[in-house]
Amino acid sequence: GAGVSQSPSNKVTEKGKDVELRCDPISGHTALYWYRQSLGQGLEFLIYFQGNSAPDKSGLPSDRFSAERTGGSVSTLTIQRTQQEDSAVYLCASSPTGIPTQYFGPGTRLTVL
Amino acid sequence: AQTVTQSQPEMSVQEAETVTLSCTYDTSENNYYLFWYKQPPSRQMILVIRQEAYKQQNATENRFSVNFQKAAKSFSLKISDSQLGDTAMYFCASLFAGNNRKLIWGLGTSLAVNP
Repeated sequence: GAGVSQSPSNKVTEKGKDVELRCDPISGHTALYWYRQSLGQGLEFLIYFQGNSAPDKSGLPSDRFSAERTGGSVSTLTIQRTQQEDSAVYLCASSPTGIPTQYFGPGTRLTVL
Repeated sequence: AQTVTQSQPEMSVQEAETVTLSCTYDTSENNYYLFWYKQPPSRQMILVIRQEAYKQQNATENRFSVNFQKAAKSFSLKISDSQLGDTAMYFCASLFAGNNRKLIWGLGTSLAVNP
């Protein structure tokens, strides 16, 4: 079946612009996660959605970052007023109910000039 | 704090040989999961193997196996009969029960398989 998909694959933007990153999880997966992978650093948890529960936003680095998940499926991560330090690969993952394994998409590489 | 440590930033191995990647973690939890993920240059994070902490038997997936030492909080990955396609970054990660299902990651080991 289809895996997790993310779009765009690459995004180049200018400092101060807003960007939206999209994630389509595997069909039927109730949990969805966003991580950030910065050059030379490990992966950093950003946000977690589980079904209709309130999302865990504890990893969002600032109020410029927000995410939503519509209809329990597609998720959008929005970064407002982008800064150069936001440059990274943004990875999305999903998992089915009761299963701990997270399945990842190919990521979006964001470059802020 | 719950942490995952990979002490080998880079490793190399000759094709067809065996290599072991190290990972240690720190937690006071008793119920957790451990993972090895592979990230080739394509950027796709691919699950290699998963180990449940409550299982004593080491997980195996074809050429990949783990040495899980719960008391020592060690979780190493052994790759047998290394292939050129195994060249990638390898990340050790853990899912602790109290962490609301977010993965805690090591910094990765870059593995090069040489012909």
